Amino acid sequence: ETGVTQTPRHLVMGMTNKKSLKCEQHLGHNAMYWYKQSAKKPLELMFVYNFKEQTENNSVPSRFSPECPNSSHLFLHLHTLQPEDSALYLCASSQGGGDSYNEQFFGPGTRLTVL
Amino acid sequence: AQSVTQLGSHVSVSEGALVLLRCNYSSSVPPYLFWYVQYPNQGLQLLLKYTSAATLVKGINGFEAEFKKSETSFHLTKPSAHMSDAAEYFCAVSEGGNQFYFGTGTSLTVIP
Repeated sequence: ETGVTQTPRHLVMGMTNKKSLKCEQHLGHNAMYWYKQSAKKPLELMFVYNFKEQTENNSVPSRFSPECPNSSHLFLHLHTLQPEDSALYLCASSQGGGDSYNEQFFGPGTRLTVL
Repeated sequence: AQSVTQLGSHVSVSEGALVLLRCNYSSSVPPYLFWYVQYPNQGLQLLLKYTSAATLVKGINGFEAEFKKSETSFHLTKPSAHMSDAAEYFCAVSEGGNQFYFGTGTSLTVIP
């Protein structure tokens, strides 16, 4: 595997379900990100981890819970979601502890549908 | 707070014609600027970035962008559109740290 991988690619869940999204980067980067991409809206930064420590949490509801066990893996745990949470969830990584002149590398995303 | 405006959510050009995708930003300090492309069912891929070196930045696939501080713009251009350029394009800006701000995207259609 190369680059940034995400599993599953598609997920359909009910509002009472608990599921997790997984992201893995094979680039040796130190920072990892979760974004939400909804139609006709800018990408929304949800969480940022630098060297496994969470450094940003942009007012994300508690029904989204991130986990970063090491610099290569990032999870997004989901529970009691709402239909408006349906979106494409993108994971990204970057080098240099999150310095913004280092570009982000994105995974293909997980298309989430909440029924 | 940062903001990014991409004028025109949809742009159509004929194959071989000039591509111009507009991006304006608001920033109180010299920013870092990026253009990304997203093909269907894929993540975002970096086209080019401006990091305070040359104001004219060349990227992949024949794209380039010019940073104009006086106009707070970073428009993306390509002299001759190809069918494979059809995709969604995103402009992004950062002042530093881990915060990146993205525009709403411009969908490019290339007409044969």
